[in-house]
Amino acid sequence: EAGVAQSPRYKIIEKRQSVAFWCNPISGHATLYWYQQILGQGPKLLIQFQNNGVVDDSQLPKDRFSAERLKGVDSTLKIQPAKLEDSAVYLCASSLEGYEQFFGPGTRLTVL
Amino acid sequence: GDSVTQMEGPVTLSEEAFLTINCTYTATGYPSLFWYVQYPGEGLQLLLKATKADDKGSNKGFEATYRKETTSFHLEKGSVQVSDSAVYFCALSEVRDDKIIFGKGTRLHILP
Repeated sequence: EAGVAQSPRYKIIEKRQSVAFWCNPISGHATLYWYQQILGQGPKLLIQFQNNGVVDDSQLPKDRFSAERLKGVDSTLKIQPAKLEDSAVYLCASSLEGYEQFFGPGTRLTVL
Repeated sequence: GDSVTQMEGPVTLSEEAFLTINCTYTATGYPSLFWYVQYPGEGLQLLLKATKADDKGSNKGFEATYRKETTSFHLEKGSVQVSDSAVYFCALSEVRDDKIIFGKGTRLHILP
């Protein structure tokens, strides 16, 4: 069974630029999560989708971050404009409702 | 709110040494407890879990026991290998939802 796919794996941008990350969850997983993992810290949940609806986005900085999950499958996370403090690894995870979350390899973002 | 505190790293051990990584938690309810592992260049993987007090989770020679009286979930392994070098995250999830709260992670280096 294929795991959670993410792209790109690495991205370097200048501050104030825009960037987008893509996630393809495990087939059949209705729940999708985006986490931010800053160096030296544990992952922090940014947003949780159930199918194509948002369950929790309380930790998402909505002035610059946005996410969508069209058709309840793939998802994109966008940052516009990026700040230096957005440098982190962005992890996508998916799960069957109420069961174990499976994580992708992450996208490492460096903002210069 | 709920939180997880784990020992700071890096932890450096020789091969075949005994490993303990301490983890304590604060929760309002009766959470499930987890240890996740992140190998270099890979995503998070669930290592083991325990869902109620006195449960012992085990996998790949690692063990952790859910201690409600001390609010702890320490990770142990009797004889570590070089291949165990990774970052280990202690985490919890309340029964009422499937959101995971992670500790900051402990980097483990095993020397041959």
